[in-house]
Amino acid sequence: DGGITQSPKYLFRKEGQNVTLSCEQNLNHDAMYWYRQDPGQGLRLIYYSQIVNDFQKGDIAEGYSVSREKKESFPLTVTSAQKNPTAFYLCASSIRLGNEQFFGPGTRLTVL
Amino acid sequence: AQKITQTQPGMFVQEKEAVTLDCTYDTSDQSYGLFWYKQPSSGEMIFLIYQGSYDEQNATEGRYSLNFQKARKSANLVISASQLGDSAMYFCAMREAVIDSWGKLQFGAGTQVVVTP
Repeated sequence: DGGITQSPKYLFRKEGQNVTLSCEQNLNHDAMYWYRQDPGQGLRLIYYSQIVNDFQKGDIAEGYSVSREKKESFPLTVTSAQKNPTAFYLCASSIRLGNEQFFGPGTRLTVL
Repeated sequence: AQKITQTQPGMFVQEKEAVTLDCTYDTSDQSYGLFWYKQPSSGEMIFLIYQGSYDEQNATEGRYSLNFQKARKSANLVISASQLGDSAMYFCAMREAVIDSWGKLQFGAGTQVVVTP
């Protein structure tokens, strides 16, 4: 079955710790994206990647970092510099940049 | 400035009735795309329908249709014959073709739909 997986579904961390969220896709899509969603709000773009070894900042990249070493994987690190990291994080991919995006199930991060 | 506006925070609809979700957008671009996504309580975003700015016909996908009025910059989603499983949050999104925005989706705040028996 082709799709996008994100793990874990729920993640708890102490303030000041970095944490890495996993995103894997087996759809053979070139483009991948990370979004953040806060309660009652739409999605905001954190980072996106058009192709392997390339990524660009989105609208709210401060306090986050990514890597794209493999086509299938686009992990997101939430660093201690992110002031309000508690949120729902969604990863998406599309066959090419600009095409319709397909989303993973999300990771709910809570920083205590 | 807000690029996508969804003015209905929530609405109730009776099963088997049709419902229209409003979406207006703001762009000076001639080439753009409009998307609708559904987000059930599980959290996953499900792609529903797409309309390109140059598409002459309104997009349809099963029970979903998009009422595209370019001059008014509106892209309303119509769900016909509502089902209980349609209860979810619905998001309108836009992709512009300008260099700095290409590939990025701008999302509206969403509309919560509750389908009642």
